[in-house]
Amino acid sequence: DAKTTQPNSMESNEEEPVHLPCNHSTISGTDYIHWYRQLPSQGPEYVIHGLTSNVNNRMASLAIAEDRKSSTLILHRATLRDAAVYYCILSPLPSGSRLTFGEGTQLTVNP
Amino acid sequence: DAGVTQSPTHLIKTRGQQVTLRCSPKSGHDTVSWYQQALGQGPQFIFQYYEEEERQRGNFPDRFSGHQFPNYSSELNVNALLLGDSALYLCASSFGTGQFRNYGYTFGSGTRLTVV
Repeated sequence: DAKTTQPNSMESNEEEPVHLPCNHSTISGTDYIHWYRQLPSQGPEYVIHGLTSNVNNRMASLAIAEDRKSSTLILHRATLRDAAVYYCILSPLPSGSRLTFGEGTQLTVNP
Repeated sequence: DAGVTQSPTHLIKTRGQQVTLRCSPKSGHDTVSWYQQALGQGPQFIFQYYEEEERQRGNFPDRFSGHQFPNYSSELNVNALLLGDSALYLCASSFGTGQFRNYGYTFGSGTRLTVV
């Protein structure tokens, strides 16, 4: 499985945008980029996924670099509820393949 | 609409014993995957069941086994428990396996297993 690199931790203030980076320089042409987050005492939660084009949904936006070697998860207005560990994962299919989690980024949101 | 349901939520077992964890997938989902999450680490894939068969397996010993029932629910069995098996065990469901299916996994809140 191709490897992803994320910062161990990031901080943000409530109601400000948050940009969570992910590097995946060995990504293959068929790898999808998935983002999950895990709130305290809960299982991971699907956030968003994409292949080449930028994606938006009700939770977040995913910006994918033109060479696909990096991506950024964007939370437009952070809330206290967004404090979680965010995982960037590569998978060769939209779904159905195993998810290989790294250690993720611990996001702290300050009031 | 109920999400993924796991039982029990917490469990304490003695080294050498056997344990069975249970998972009911989200309504409409037919594929179940199991993950092990040690404290402070990301989840690690154990195996995936679809159509009552194990379809994929991670790097876990044969002490870890599973089953999927006709109603798509699943069990994870761990034999000869070791102290290192203490972890949060997560069940994730999805619709189908393969690229023509729905996107994203739905995870349960997990079963916290403590081996003493």
